[in-house]
Amino acid sequence: KQEVTQIPAALSVPEGENLVLNCSFTDSAIYNLQWFRQDPGKGLTSLLLIQSSQREQTSGRLNASLDKSSGRSTLYIAASQPGDSATYLCAVPFFYGQNFVFGPGTRLSVLP
Amino acid sequence: EADIYQTPRYLVIGTGKKITLECSQTMGHDKMYWYQQDPGMELHLIHYSYGVNSTEKGDLSSESTVSRIRTEHFPLTLESARPSHTSQYLCASSEAWGWGEQYFGPGTRLTVT
Repeated sequence: KQEVTQIPAALSVPEGENLVLNCSFTDSAIYNLQWFRQDPGKGLTSLLLIQSSQREQTSGRLNASLDKSSGRSTLYIAASQPGDSATYLCAVPFFYGQNFVFGPGTRLSVLP
Repeated sequence: EADIYQTPRYLVIGTGKKITLECSQTMGHDKMYWYQQDPGMELHLIHYSYGVNSTEKGDLSSESTVSRIRTEHFPLTLESARPSHTSQYLCASSEAWGWGEQYFGPGTRLTVT
């Protein structure tokens, strides 16, 4: 079964810390991997999309890496801010699936 | 900036009423999706469409129905709302299967009393 997992489930850090969120997937045959942010009661905002041929993508303080062979992606957030507090989800379209498979998310709290 | 819209944003309605949640996108995307999400819980795919006149059921069984008469429009209907339908409903679209980025609307929070 094609699955996506995320660890940790929740993370609380003081403002200014650099942090890493992890996403694992069970099958390396993927088209891409997308990281989203979700604020409480809101929709999902796309943060970064890494195509299967890429190793990493950067946007501002965010850097996402992809290692297909090991079935892992990491989202690195530099110099965290209270405004980064949200749930972060990763999603994967597998070659042999029909739709995106979402991880359960990591709930991040950045304390001032 | 993703152009995908959902109306209403919030809806409180009594049991037994028929409701339609609207979703529209202006990006010309072929594939569209409906997800259901309870507070603090995971996303569950309930419906998707490959294009006009295509509708498929998702991983989570739902009493709702969808239609796709126009590329840009993918409404979701509940014929008779029940309290168990209380949830957040998120609409999304993508340019093409697989390599396309997925974009989400702001969601509709439905409460059935």
